[in-house]
Order: sequence, then C-alpha cells, then structure tokens
Amino acid sequence: ETGVTQSPTHLIKTRGQQVTLRCSSQSGHNTVSWYQQALGQGPQFIFQYYREEENGRGNFPPRFSGLQFPNYSSELNVNALELDDSALYLCASTQTEFSGNTIYFGEGSWLTVV
Amino acid sequence: AQKITQTQPGMFVQEKEAVTLDCTYDTSDPSYGLFWYKQPSSGEMIFLIYQGSYDQQNATEGRYSLNFQKARKSANLVISASQLGDSAMYFCAMREGLGVDSNYQLIWGAGTKLIIKP
Repeated sequence: ETGVTQSPTHLIKTRGQQVTLRCSSQSGHNTVSWYQQALGQGPQFIFQYYREEENGRGNFPPRFSGLQFPNYSSELNVNALELDDSALYLCASTQTEFSGNTIYFGEGSWLTVV
Repeated sequence: AQKITQTQPGMFVQEKEAVTLDCTYDTSDPSYGLFWYKQPSSGEMIFLIYQGSYDQQNATEGRYSLNFQKARKSANLVISASQLGDSAMYFCAMREGLGVDSNYQLIWGAGTKLIIKP
C-alpha cells in the first residue's frame, strides 16, 4: 500500500481532445512527479512539483501541464491529444524533508488516444 | 549516452532459484541514489529497494538485496528463493543529486522481464 492513488485507471480519448489525470498522495508528501510510460519502455519524466511550484521538467511540450494542491493532490493536463500520447501515466510522490529515498508510485492511468 | 543500462531484456528462472538482474549506470554526480522497482502487468510500479551512493553496506529488503559495486558503476538486484509471484518487469532507476530541495527526477532503464517457471 503506497498511499498514492490515481484516477481514472483507464480512459479513451479522441485525438485533439484534452484530458485531466488526477493523483492523491500521502499526507506530508510535498513532492510529486509525473511520468509517461509507453508500451514496452521505461518511464519518461514529464515534470515535478514541489510545494505547488513546478521545479523540474523533462522533454515534453507545453501542452503537458500540471498543478499541485495544498491537500497533496495533483493533476496532469494534456491538451490537443495526439496518438503518441497513448501510454501509462504514473504519479510518484515523496516526503523530501525526511528522506527522498522512498519514492512511491500510484497504480497509473492508462490513456488510449484514438 | 544511456544513463541506466539493463542488458537483459528477458529472463527465465526456475522457481526457488536465486536470480540476479543486471543494472549499470553512468553519472558524474558524486551524490546519487539507485532504485529498483517491480511492475506487474497491472501497471503499478512497486518500490523494492534503494541504495545511496554514500551507503557503506549493500541494501537488503527481505528476499531482495542490491549488489552495489561503485567502482564498476553497477547495482544488480538479487532475488533469493524466487517465487511465481515474482514474475514481472523489473526496472532500475537513478536519482542524481540527493539534496532535500533537489530534483527528484528518476532516470530509468528499459527494464528486464522476469518469468519464474514452476
């Protein structure tokens, strides 16, 4: 039990649409990261939020955006969906003040773009 | 250049045998952490074990141990007495820079698919 929950677990969207994926972290986990994992590959870092501010971003275009809220929840928004956005999206959280050695993941959201 | 290399795309192992999954890494940062995760077909990424670059002892967590060879830049995962439930993808990942306010980005290998045979 990681204490990180993601929703929805599966969804299908049409190319050009917008999607919002949600993540709820453990209380006190002030850092949240989002990853995209295409089929058969390792995850790719999208961005990270620390105390509600983005403080790190991978090689993803601006149509990937996010928010982190004071209640330890966060969102990943993707605009103008493309077929290549079909992937598993993983949310990860950690409590940095004590240890960043244990980074917990949610079960992921499977996005299919048709 | 690849920062995390997992050279075994797939492995078959007999139940109850020990298995070693290979991971080599590349970084110029003296402060880093190495992680292993298990990913069943459901997709959840399950944390297994962590090794910090300054840790003197190899990390152990139950049946999992990490064979950390710093000079060789390798961090192999050893699973003792494998079980059928160990069948999954296994990923090695690295975090560079271990300051509290540092980037917590994980850099991942391509993974090894482990299948345990009864």
